[in-house]
Amino acid sequence: NAGVIQTPRHKVTGKGQEATLWCEPISGHSAVFWYRQTIVQGLEFLTYFRNQAPIDDSGMPKERFSAQMPNQSHSTLKIQSTQPQDSAVYLCASSPDKEVFFGKGTRLTVV
Amino acid sequence: GDSVTQKQGQVTLSEDDFLFINCTYSTTTYPTLLWYVQYPGQGPQLLLKVTTANNKGISRGFEATYDKGTTSFHLQKASVQESDSAVYFCALVLNSAGNKLTFGIGTRVLVRP
Repeated sequence: NAGVIQTPRHKVTGKGQEATLWCEPISGHSAVFWYRQTIVQGLEFLTYFRNQAPIDDSGMPKERFSAQMPNQSHSTLKIQSTQPQDSAVYLCASSPDKEVFFGKGTRLTVV
Repeated sequence: GDSVTQKQGQVTLSEDDFLFINCTYSTTTYPTLLWYVQYPGQGPQLLLKVTTANNKGISRGFEATYDKGTTSFHLQKASVQESDSAVYFCALVLNSAGNKLTFGIGTRVLVRP
């Protein structure tokens, strides 16, 4: 069990460019989550899928951010027109039931 | 809405010191309270879960309890080691499925040898 796999581990984008972050949840886990981690805000919930269906995107910024889960083996978080304030570690997590397992995160730096 | 508050930003200790981290919570439902630990370059991982007031969760020498009267919960360890250096987060479960979480800001614990 390799755990939740996130790629890339580090990504640098220029301001205004698009960034796509990938997550492979643990096989058999029905729920997938995206969180954003910064020093100032800590861990912030972004969005949540269950059995590939979007359940709760209450934490997603209304503009520029979108998440998909096209199949049970991967989810993507896309940020359009990236801004310096989007710089953060983006964490994906999956859950079979109650326990949540996090990936190592993707560190996004917008320059 | 439901929330947790964790005020201690950083704690610096020496080996064998006592560690105590406190959080407060706010919820209208029966709380499930968690402690996560994050080591450098890793994602957070579950350390302890507490679901009953004044009962203890114990794992790897860490102990967690919560006090319904003061709506607080804390994490403690009697004797820390250098390997305990990490960031510790308290968290509150927000949904009935038990897996949507809201986190405290985190406490960075540095244990000097």
